[in-house]
Amino acid sequence: EAQVTQNPRYLITVTGKKLTVTCSQNMNHEYMSWYRQDPGLGLRQIYYSMNVEVTDKGDVPEGYKVSRKEKRNFPLILESPSPNQTSLYFCASSEDGVRVQYFGAGTRLSVL
Amino acid sequence: GDSVTQMEGPVTLSEEAFLTINCTYTATGYPSLFWYVQYPGEGLQLLLKATKADDKGSNKGFEATYRKETTSFHLEKGSVQVSDSAVYFCALIGYNKLIFGAGTRLAVHP
Repeated sequence: EAQVTQNPRYLITVTGKKLTVTCSQNMNHEYMSWYRQDPGLGLRQIYYSMNVEVTDKGDVPEGYKVSRKEKRNFPLILESPSPNQTSLYFCASSEDGVRVQYFGAGTRLSVL
Repeated sequence: GDSVTQMEGPVTLSEEAFLTINCTYTATGYPSLFWYVQYPGEGLQLLLKATKADDKGSNKGFEATYRKETTSFHLEKGSVQVSDSAVYFCALIGYNKLIFGAGTRLAVHP
């Protein structure tokens, strides 16, 4: 089954404690992206990757890091989480650039 | 910059009612337009798309027409069901990303 898998689905942490949210896709897609969803703001792009070893900033990259060492994986790293990073995070992938994207089920993060 | 504006929700309807969710956009050129749907506890799924002016996207009884004159892409369905309760996002293609509206929550009651 074609899917984008994120882990964990729910996470509660404290300010400053490094965390990683994993994202994996099984569709051999070149393009992957991270978004955050906040009430009234829709989804905003954090980082994206056009291919292995190629990543670039989206609209709200501050406080986040990513890596793309393998085509299937695109982890999101918060080196020192802060309360304003409390949000719902989605990973997405696409085979044809940015057009039709497949989304993971989301990770709800709370930073206390 | 490019942006998408959706009608505010929530939208509450009875089963079998007619649905319209308004979406307008601001963009340079004529980008592809999308409607995504997010069911409770799930990620977003592509509902329909239109790639050029006057195109009509359709899926699962939903329709939307790309209107360049009014820069709009309104979502419609003739008869909604309880199972259509979800959050609906209008989006356009920006530079290496999708640009989303704020989302409109739809609640359909029996």
